[in-house]
Amino acid sequence: GPKVLQIPSHQIIDMGQMVTLNCDPVSNHLYFYWYKQILGQQMEFLVNFYNGKVMEKSKLFKDQFSVERPDGSYFTLKIQPTALEDSAVYFCASSLEGQGSTQYFGPGTRLLVL
Amino acid sequence: GQQVKQSSPSLTVQEGGISILNCDYENDMFDYFAWYKKYPDNSPTLLISVRSNVDKREDGRLTVFLNKSGKHFSLHITASQPEDTAVYLCAAGARNTGYQNFYFGKGTSLTVIP
Repeated sequence: GPKVLQIPSHQIIDMGQMVTLNCDPVSNHLYFYWYKQILGQQMEFLVNFYNGKVMEKSKLFKDQFSVERPDGSYFTLKIQPTALEDSAVYFCASSLEGQGSTQYFGPGTRLLVL
Repeated sequence: GQQVKQSSPSLTVQEGGISILNCDYENDMFDYFAWYKKYPDNSPTLLISVRSNVDKREDGRLTVFLNKSGKHFSLHITASQPEDTAVYLCAAGARNTGYQNFYFGKGTSLTVIP
């Protein structure tokens, strides 16, 4: 089936530094999502993005977070500055349409903030 | 609070038996219910989904049962096979968010013993 890729698979970073997580969505998809999963917890919605704009975000999407997809390249999640509580697995997803459309997930990026 | 709950973190079933995975939810507005399987690369992949206008949907060995009054849905896997061994996530969404925000459970780890 359609594949979503995430780069890197693992990232270790010092607290306070900036990190960018990259997502290569399914090629013809138009909607993009980030989810966060802390160890031992459920995957939680962070943000969705369509037509160059954030459509909706949760309370987990702090001011230090930003997303963009410049010129149809990677869909990125940037955290600046990072905090210890940002350590988690971040899953990217994409869908062709919004309402009711199947979301295809990537394998996640494991972020560890020291 | 946690909107979607999987009360059993793990389940072990003999090959050929029926695996029953359960999920409870809190939000009355949820009207889309899905089961995802986490593959070895960790990416959740949609297995089967159902809308609230039906209480059962079958697809091969998979059946989803929905009990709206009890705010409960389940996944039954008949003739379970060792390759069904994986983590299964339940998810729910609501029309008023365009189904763009899915709430996930923590997952149930299914082991099918040959």
